[in-house]
Amino acid sequence: DAGVTQSPTHLIKTRGQHVTLRCSPISGHKSVSWYQQVLGQGPQFIFQYYEKEERGRGNFPDRFSARQFPNYSSELNVNALLLGDSALYLCASSPTSGRADYEQYFGPGTRLTVT
Amino acid sequence: QKEVEQNSGPLSVPEGAIASLNCTYSDRGSQSFFWYRQYSGKSPELIMFIYSNGDKEDGRFTAQLNKASQYVSLLIRDSQPSDSATYLCAVKVPNAGGTSYGKLTFGQGTILTVHP
Repeated sequence: DAGVTQSPTHLIKTRGQHVTLRCSPISGHKSVSWYQQVLGQGPQFIFQYYEKEERGRGNFPDRFSARQFPNYSSELNVNALLLGDSALYLCASSPTSGRADYEQYFGPGTRLTVT
Repeated sequence: QKEVEQNSGPLSVPEGAIASLNCTYSDRGSQSFFWYRQYSGKSPELIMFIYSNGDKEDGRFTAQLNKASQYVSLLIRDSQPSDSATYLCAVKVPNAGGTSYGKLTFGQGTILTVHP
């Protein structure tokens, strides 16, 4: 079975622009989470969606938004890009939500560079 | 105090030795604990998870959890050069509503180098 897929792989944007990142979860997984990983740090939680509803939001500004589609794929949108938004954006999928013992599997990530 | 802290690295061990990676967490409501391996330029790969006190073994990897001490560790036996990577400890923390919808809080990672 295919793992989590993300597109694009790399992206270069200019300050003030907006960007849309895409994620397809593992087949059968209904939960998608987004994380931001800055170089040298662990991933930081941005959003979690389950059954097309937002189930959690991290400490990120309103410039960050996301949605989940009926086929469980997801988009992360970032408006008014800042230099500090340069990072690896990771999508993780998991089969369930609300349990204590499920695992999250990460996709390859999208490397965003803001100049 | 950081929510999840890992022992500062980098950690260097000789091939064949045991590598010990440690992690402490601050939220006593934490439910599940995960270890991810991340090679340079790649995304994190799940290698172990544990949610009950005690040890859990999977091949050369052993995860240990002590909820009373808020401590989780990963032991890698017979370390190989291919184990050289950044190891991330992650903790699943319930949200404000009391249920857990998947937020993982990560430590900063420990860089492990296994030299021949």
